[in-house]
Amino acid sequence: DAGITQSPRHKVTETGTPVTLRCHQTENHRYMYWYRQDPGHGLRLIHYSYGVKDTDKGEVSDGYSVSRSKTEDFLLTLESATSSQTSVYFCAISETGTGNNEQFFGPGTRLTVL
Amino acid sequence: GQNIDQPTEMTATEGAIVQINCTYQTSGFNGLFWYQQHAGEAPTFLSYNVLDGLEEKGRFSSFLSRSKGYSYLLLKELQMKDSASYLCAGAAGNKLTFGGGTRVLVKP
Repeated sequence: DAGITQSPRHKVTETGTPVTLRCHQTENHRYMYWYRQDPGHGLRLIHYSYGVKDTDKGEVSDGYSVSRSKTEDFLLTLESATSSQTSVYFCAISETGTGNNEQFFGPGTRLTVL
Repeated sequence: GQNIDQPTEMTATEGAIVQINCTYQTSGFNGLFWYQQHAGEAPTFLSYNVLDGLEEKGRFSSFLSRSKGYSYLLLKELQMKDSASYLCAGAAGNKLTFGGGTRVLVKP
């Protein structure tokens, strides 16, 4: 299994509070991704990173920001959490990001915003 | 964005064969992935097709027709442990776009 962990694994928070989720990898992969997964929507890309300090938006980036200050860590921040951001969040990593380069997924973080 | 369509749910009997179809817009994707996801767990890689045709891996096979924007995942000799969701994903550049997933229920 790819060395990828997420923390916390579960979190309950209140509307309006900031929340930061962490993704940590030990594979030295260049690409890292944040997805959310909701019933009826599948996995949707929030943001991704193609190197240290290099990030780009996905299809559902509003209300989220990311940072990557070192290769192994990719942080996802909900600046002011809303109930619509209740979801399961998955981090993924990929060696090159193109072609036959599968993405390896972390175990997920279940976030509930009350 | 690119739409990827797959059935929501399928039911099959242990030992049988099930085919999960996936359709997408023909422009934009340069490869097609299939992932398996058990309830409460992370998705795991099953297959990748970049050329037209059938790729076989044990009990699982995946087919791609780029001109038709069509792929399928074939699961043979179904086992109870195959009960899971199966996610189709189109690759474009360094990003994947996922379909909504097909939940497969295997019955004894």
